[in-house]
Amino acid sequence: DSGVTQTPKHLITATGQRVTLRCSPRSGDLSVYWYQQSLDQGLQFLIQYYNGEERAKGNILERFSAQQFPDLHSELNLSSLELGDSALYFCASSPTAGGHYEQYFGPGTRLTVT
Amino acid sequence: QQQVKQSPQSLIVQKGGISIINCAYENTAFDYFPWYQQFPGKGPALLIAIRPDVSEKKEGRFTISFNKSAKQFSLHIMDSQPGDSATYFCAASRDGATNKLIFGTGTLLAVQP
Repeated sequence: DSGVTQTPKHLITATGQRVTLRCSPRSGDLSVYWYQQSLDQGLQFLIQYYNGEERAKGNILERFSAQQFPDLHSELNLSSLELGDSALYFCASSPTAGGHYEQYFGPGTRLTVT
Repeated sequence: QQQVKQSPQSLIVQKGGISIINCAYENTAFDYFPWYQQFPGKGPALLIAIRPDVSEKKEGRFTISFNKSAKQFSLHIMDSQPGDSATYFCAASRDGATNKLIFGTGTLLAVQP
């Protein structure tokens, strides 16, 4: 158990809908990362938050957004969903924004768009 | 443009054999190279990591070999066991304001008993 929790575990929704994925980092970790894992794109970095502020952006679509709340949990919002958004979404956390600390991954949320 | 290339895509090894997975990177600013192990239904977990100031790092049966001039690094699993069957990802990052990881495409390892 990495100490990172993600809910829900599975999500099935229709095209055009909007969903919210939730992540709680390990106790004491200030940095949260979101990654997307799909068969054709592999594991791709989406976005990072550190202590409530956006720190880095990767290949994140404009239809996707995220935020980190004062209690440090984070939410990834996916809107106008398309079939191609079906993937595993992982959240990871680390103590700081940089410094090459280990990133601890949660169990993921499997999103299926029908 | 993919910045970390990983091979092979899949690998079958007999129990007790050596598993070797290779990665190559393009960005010379990368200065941290971790390997992650992922079992089905689980998130990736850090296995071992290396910085470019050393050419090799060993932890138990797992060894990373690093060739800075060739911009390549590899994972060696000695005495491979069926419990090592998983997907392995190499990754790279650069120190700075963010610790984001750039992952390779993954290698599915199957260790046959």
